[in-house]
Amino acid sequence: QVKLVESGGGVVQPGRSLRLSCAASGFSFSNFGMHWVRQAPGKGLEWVAVIWKDGSNKYYADSVKARFTISRDNSKNTLYLQVNSLRVEDTAVYYCARNLGENGDYEPLDYWGQGTLVTVSS
Amino acid sequence: DIVLTQSPDSLAVSLGERATINCKSSQKILFNSNRKNYLAWYQQKPGQPPKLLISWASARESGVPDRFSGSGSGTDFTLTISSLQAEDVAVYYCHQYYTKESTFGQGTKLEI
Repeated sequence: QVKLVESGGGVVQPGRSLRLSCAASGFSFSNFGMHWVRQAPGKGLEWVAVIWKDGSNKYYADSVKARFTISRDNSKNTLYLQVNSLRVEDTAVYYCARNLGENGDYEPLDYWGQGTLVTVSS
Repeated sequence: DIVLTQSPDSLAVSLGERATINCKSSQKILFNSNRKNYLAWYQQKPGQPPKLLISWASARESGVPDRFSGSGSGTDFTLTISSLQAEDVAVYYCHQYYTKESTFGQGTKLEI
């Protein structure tokens, strides 16, 4: 079955960096676009970034552009999010999620991981 | 960026009654060439990730009870729960994937 498992979260000081990972299994990872979506404590969902199945295109929310980098290693079935210059307002649970459609670029998100919590605090 | 505005922010409905949640987009999210609306609905219960309920505005996902339905086109969309069950208590989000930078609505909290 499809499984997405995030890791790499933790408590970090403002201005520091983290790399989040999302290990995928149970499907042909290289055939699906993948996303990061975050949720601040008690708040709604915020789309963060998407990477197309072959890594050829990457897009970001304005709030994270130039600070976050999405990437993937299809040989390892793993999605990444490098988060730099962290701010207090980046505190959130970070979810990875899969496109619904194989080989599609503009798709809803059908499978989600359980999320990894990033807390930015001095 | 496309802004999705959900209404109401919260809603209390009696068991067995109908619940209706609206989502208005700041731009049309109907792609003319395939006549598809690039809008989805998700349900999120406390401590859980979101669950996809409806895609393409009205296509119910496999395993989703048929009391859930989606409708609308262009800029105005609706999620309807025809007969509210206790397990439907959750926050519901709409999501547009028409643009490469997708966006979510702010969420609607549904209570009994």
